[in-house]
Amino acid sequence: KQEVTQIPAALSVPEGENLVLNCSFTDSAIYNLQWFRQDPGKGLTSLLLIQSSQREQTSGRLNASLDKSSGRSTLYIAASQPGDSATYLCAVIGNAGKSTFGDGTTLTVKP
Amino acid sequence: DAGITQSPRYKITETGRQVTLMCHQTWSHSYMFWYRQDLGHGLRLIYYSAAADITDKGEVPDGYVVSRSKTENFPLTLESATRSQTSVYFCASSKTRGGELRNIQYFGAGTRLSVL
Repeated sequence: KQEVTQIPAALSVPEGENLVLNCSFTDSAIYNLQWFRQDPGKGLTSLLLIQSSQREQTSGRLNASLDKSSGRSTLYIAASQPGDSATYLCAVIGNAGKSTFGDGTTLTVKP
Repeated sequence: DAGITQSPRYKITETGRQVTLMCHQTWSHSYMFWYRQDLGHGLRLIYYSAAADITDKGEVPDGYVVSRSKTENFPLTLESATRSQTSVYFCASSKTRGGELRNIQYFGAGTRLSVL
């Protein structure tokens, strides 16, 4: 059974800092990995998707990496802003199309 | 440009009642999913569907029924609601299940269900 772990559970940083969120998974047989953002009381918004054959994806200030063999992904946020405050979730998509989510990292960026 | 919509957004019901949560997407995506989100458990997959008339169980299917007679709709029914089914329910869709960039999952805004 796939298990996804996100560390840390919560993170508070001052504005402008670069930061890294971690995601680890137990079964490396995945199709892809997706990072989401969730604001309080809202649905999930897709940030980045990395195919199993890729090593990284970039979108603006966000960079996600994937090391399938070690079961790890990181989300790097450059020059953090208060508007980045949210919960960040990673999800791995397995061969049967099923998704397994981590519990998320709640990020607070202080002005 | 509706995307994926869920209804109702909020629902209060009583134990033992049948409740149906609706999900509608306008993209003709093949795959649709139902998740529940609970504190301490994160997001868990209830059911998913690869296409019309094709559904399969996820991690926590007990107590739920789904159907998909049309590609755009994927209703979730709680046959006899229990307090443990109090949760926030999310519907999602994606274009394909393969290892392709189009496999991004798009989520609805969620339905907050309280079972008293």
